[in-house]
Amino acid sequence: QSALTQPASVSGSPGQSITISCTGTSRDVGNYNLVSWYQQHPGKAPKLIIYEGSERPSGVSSRFSGSKSGNTASLTISGLLAEDEADYYCCSYAGSGIVDVFGTGTKVTVL
Amino acid sequence: QITLKESGPTLVKPTQTLTLTCTFSGFSLSTTGVGVGWIRQPPGKALEWLALISWDDDKRFSPSLKTRLTITKDTSKNQVVLTMANMAPVDTATYYCAHYFGYEIHSWGQGSLVTVSS
Repeated sequence: QSALTQPASVSGSPGQSITISCTGTSRDVGNYNLVSWYQQHPGKAPKLIIYEGSERPSGVSSRFSGSKSGNTASLTISGLLAEDEADYYCCSYAGSGIVDVFGTGTKVTVL
Repeated sequence: QITLKESGPTLVKPTQTLTLTCTFSGFSLSTTGVGVGWIRQPPGKALEWLALISWDDDKRFSPSLKTRLTITKDTSKNQVVLTMANMAPVDTATYYCAHYFGYEIHSWGQGSLVTVSS
C-alpha cells in the first residue's frame, strides 16, 4: 500500500485561502468517505481537524474545510493565519486489511 | 477528556524487541466502535500507520511490518501494548498511540521517541 500523494509545500499570505490536495487510488480515497486531516506543529503530536472527509471536530475553526472528488481529497484553509503554519497530513481508510494509509505530508508556510 | 500516553525505552539495540505501552483515559476499549492504534514518524519524515486493535479484539497490521508486530489490550488497565521485533536503525522514530472511533483517529498521545543504536 503506497502513501497518499500530497504536495511537499504550499504557501500563502495572511488572509488568503490555500488548498492542499491528497491523491490516492480507487482502493482508498476513491472507495470510502473516510478521509481525515491532521495538523502538526513542530515537536507536537498531530491534531485532528477534519474527519469523514468534511466534518470538523468540536473546537476546530470553520476556516478549515474538506472535500473529495474521485480519488483526490482536498483541505482548504481560508483566511490564513500565522498560527496555521504547520505540517498537514491526510489519512484514508484503505479497507479491512491495512485499515489506514497516510499522506506524504504538506508544509504550509504563511508568508 | 480523552488522553493517551506512550511509555517504553528511549534507546534499543539493533535486533532487540521494542515494547511500548499506551495508557489511556476518557474512553473504554470495550465500547463498540472504539480502537487504539499505533503510528510512527521518523525524524523529519511522514507519519506511518502501524497497527490497530479494536474493541472486539480484532487486530490489523501494516502489511510491510506484519511479521514483526504484535498488539494486545488490557481493558481493565486501560492499556494497549505494541511489540516490534528485530529493531533496526531505520526504525528510529517517534511512536504515537491514538484513539480510534470507527476507522479514524480522533485523539493522539504525545509520542515517544525511540532510537535504535548499538
